[in-house]
Amino acid sequence: GAGVSQSPSNKVTEKGKDVELRCDPISGHTALYWYRQSLGQGLEFLIYFQGNSAPDKSGLPSDRFSAERTGGSVSTLTIQRTQQEDSAVYLCASSFTSNQPQHFGDGTRLSIL
Amino acid sequence: DQQVKQNSPSLSVQEGRISILNCDYTNSMFDYFLWYKKYPAEGPTFLISISSIKDKNEDGRFTVFLNKSAKHLSLHIVPSQPGDSAVYFCAAIRGGTSYGKLTFGQGTILTVHP
Repeated sequence: GAGVSQSPSNKVTEKGKDVELRCDPISGHTALYWYRQSLGQGLEFLIYFQGNSAPDKSGLPSDRFSAERTGGSVSTLTIQRTQQEDSAVYLCASSFTSNQPQHFGDGTRLSIL
Repeated sequence: DQQVKQNSPSLSVQEGRISILNCDYTNSMFDYFLWYKKYPAEGPTFLISISSIKDKNEDGRFTVFLNKSAKHLSLHIVPSQPGDSAVYFCAAIRGGTSYGKLTFGQGTILTVHP
């Protein structure tokens, strides 16, 4: 497809389990971003990849969160030992360059029981 | 510390009238501002943006105004249509570092009544 693709669209898991969320950016987009939206909150920046540069991880809330971007394309956000406060919609976005508007996927709704 | 604030959680407008969505920011380092629209179960969609060197940008029914001295921006939708009903987020970018890192407001739910 032409847009940003995220999978799964919904994920329910037990507290303490690890989860992996996937993002396929728009082809040719060099910048990729992860955000999350908790209930009743705005979008919160998590991490940002730009080309081959070191990622900006300044928004990751704890060391249980990590992300990779392989081959400059697909990205995986991993949350280890999930907690209930990790429940949120996790959104991925990409842009052609970092000074272009970001295009968002539809998100992964993560629910921790 | 909420650097981008949308103080109105909701707005209700009659079809055909003007919708005005407001946003305030506190960080004077922000130099680029964007508005996104979000429908339920979908990701945000980019609407319109403005650079801090301008005070107005227009695209069809959408106009964004920026008042740097007041650290305030607004989105005007004229005329409003029922399909405009959605959550609207303003966002800001700080120049100089991690240019793509957006700081979002909490969103305003717009409802346009037929």
